[in-house]
Amino acid sequence: EVQLVESGGGLVQPGGSLRLSCAASGFTFSSYWMIWVRQAPGKGLEWVAKIKQDGSEKYYVDSVKGRFTLSRDNAKKSLYLQMNSLRAEDTAVYYCAREGLGATPDYWGQGTLVTVSS
Amino acid sequence: QSALTQPPSASGSPGQSVTISCTGTSSDFGGYNYVSWYQQHPGRAPKLMLFEVSKRPSGVPDRFSGSKSGNTASLTVSGLQAEDEADYYCCSYAGSNRFVFGVGTKVTVL
Repeated sequence: EVQLVESGGGLVQPGGSLRLSCAASGFTFSSYWMIWVRQAPGKGLEWVAKIKQDGSEKYYVDSVKGRFTLSRDNAKKSLYLQMNSLRAEDTAVYYCAREGLGATPDYWGQGTLVTVSS
Repeated sequence: QSALTQPPSASGSPGQSVTISCTGTSSDFGGYNYVSWYQQHPGRAPKLMLFEVSKRPSGVPDRFSGSKSGNTASLTVSGLQAEDEADYYCCSYAGSNRFVFGVGTKVTVL
């Protein structure tokens, strides 16, 4: 069974940093692109970033470029999102997802809440 | 990258059908058929319902169907059931290894 479990969310002040983790199991992690998607409270989904199987390619939505860094450790079957210079508008539930069927997120974790507030 | 346009709400009685549209620009949909649909119940993670416009993952009922014409994709839920009441989001490949989601549609089963 495919499982994705996010951790690392919490309350952080504007300008602060946070590192999210996603632990994967039930599939060959190193064979898949991985994705982060976020959802602000009461709002829709927003694609944030994706990383290639070997970590050699990374893509970000414009609003997080230069502030967020995506990485992965295939030996640990883990995905990471380092978030710096956080802003109030980054407040959201952050979902880790696998890019699978139809090059789209096919399996999602349950999400971790990031709140940026003073 | 702007979100794809969806109606804010749609509704139908049990057994009826409801269709949700998802409209973008040519740069959103382009010539791609990488359009997917997600169902999200309150407090839960999104669930993939359709991919590549009309393909269903294993376990998704055939009451869910999809189509695309030009820059508009559609999701139809036939034979509405109470458990279909949820938010639905479309998602499209937007080129350059980026994706864009729709704003979401709340489906109510009357």
